[in-house]
Amino acid sequence: GQQLNQSPQSMFIQEGEDVSMNCTSSSIFNTWLWYKQDPGEGPVLLIALYKAGELTSNGRLTAQFGITRKDSFLNISASIPSDVGIYFCAGQRSGNTPLVFGKGTRLSVIA
Amino acid sequence: NAGVTQTPKFQVLKTGQSMTLQCAQDMNHEYMSWYRQDPGMGLRLIHYSVGAGITDQGEVPNGYNVSRSTTEDFPLRLLSAAPSQTSVYFCASSRGVRRTEAFFGQGTRLTVV
Repeated sequence: GQQLNQSPQSMFIQEGEDVSMNCTSSSIFNTWLWYKQDPGEGPVLLIALYKAGELTSNGRLTAQFGITRKDSFLNISASIPSDVGIYFCAGQRSGNTPLVFGKGTRLSVIA
Repeated sequence: NAGVTQTPKFQVLKTGQSMTLQCAQDMNHEYMSWYRQDPGMGLRLIHYSVGAGITDQGEVPNGYNVSRSTTEDFPLRLLSAAPSQTSVYFCASSRGVRRTEAFFGQGTRLTVV
């Protein structure tokens, strides 16, 4: 079964607030990815992380690869209505294994 | 550049019918995979392929078949549809050995009645 625990499951925030979500595992992953899914669409890659401790930004989004390689975090600053959607973390243990996905965090932004 | 194209976008099947979900990519990616998405379950891997002629099972392979005769195409076959296969199906592709940075199609919403 799935081995990534993503939290929180859902969030309701006010426009302009910052958002934090995380993904944890009991085993080590060598790559962490964060995706966003809009309603009726496929997931779209936001950020890819390849080194433990790595901190990477994409506009208002910042993600970190945990130093233990068992977790990753995604922060969204100054949320806007178009941030609404489901955010998925995904991990890959090594170069010859498929991606494993978390169950997603559903974000709702109240204007 | 079309990326990953899935057809059809919507499908209704009767229990016991068979059908094939099509997936094509034009990025010359070696690695392709099929996921199903159910409410509260995230994305679960059905089958994947590391290259033409090579396929392997994922987390939930029962009731599905795949083949990979070309780099571009990776069809998913439902042999005898069941209501439990009602779901949204996503095809994804990624490049090279690391298989990261998967690109997804827009999905096929399947209902089995």
